[in-house]
Amino acid sequence: NAGVMQNPRHLVRRRGQEARLRCSPMKGHSHVYWYRQLPEEGLKFMVYLQKENIIDESGMPKERFSAEFPKEGPSILRIQQVVRGDSAAYFCASSDTDSGSPLHFGNGTRLTVT
Amino acid sequence: AQRVTQPEKLLSVFKGAPVELKCNYSYSGSPELFWYVQYSRQRLQLLLRHISRESIKGFTADLNKGETSFHLKKPFAQEEDSAMYYCALSGSSNTGKLIFGQGTTLQVKP
Repeated sequence: NAGVMQNPRHLVRRRGQEARLRCSPMKGHSHVYWYRQLPEEGLKFMVYLQKENIIDESGMPKERFSAEFPKEGPSILRIQQVVRGDSAAYFCASSDTDSGSPLHFGNGTRLTVT
Repeated sequence: AQRVTQPEKLLSVFKGAPVELKCNYSYSGSPELFWYVQYSRQRLQLLLRHISRESIKGFTADLNKGETSFHLKKPFAQEEDSAMYYCALSGSSNTGKLIFGQGTTLQVKP
């Protein structure tokens, strides 16, 4: 089992472009969580998804950010019209239970907006 | 406000010395507390959770509700313990939704 796979590892975008971050959960896991880590800060919860459903998006910025976890394929975190403040490390985690435990993290995608 | 505070950004000790990584939290209900660890070039992984009351790699952590703390302790540090440690809190039945502290880098010198 390869674990939670995130790609790309590093993503550079110019201001105004779109960023797409992908997360393939561990095999058999149907619960996906996205976290963001700004420089010098801890990880902050963004969104929790199950297959085809957004369960909790209380941590998502109201504009420009969206997430999906389709029936087939990876979960996608999409950031439209990126700004410099979006530069951060984005982590995905998955679980096979709706209690969220244990949580398995990916290596993260480091987004840099120039 | 719900918050997890790790007051030390960096903790440096010598091998064999005791280690205590501090974690304080602010939460109005009955949270569940966790310690996560990230070794160099590895993923963030669960170290221990307070409801398990177990010792992992020699580390223990006791939830002190009176002091709202969940400090991580080890009596004798090893060089392989060098890593980034995050304290985290869950306030719901879904423990995948966590509030993390800023993290403490533990450096164990030979």
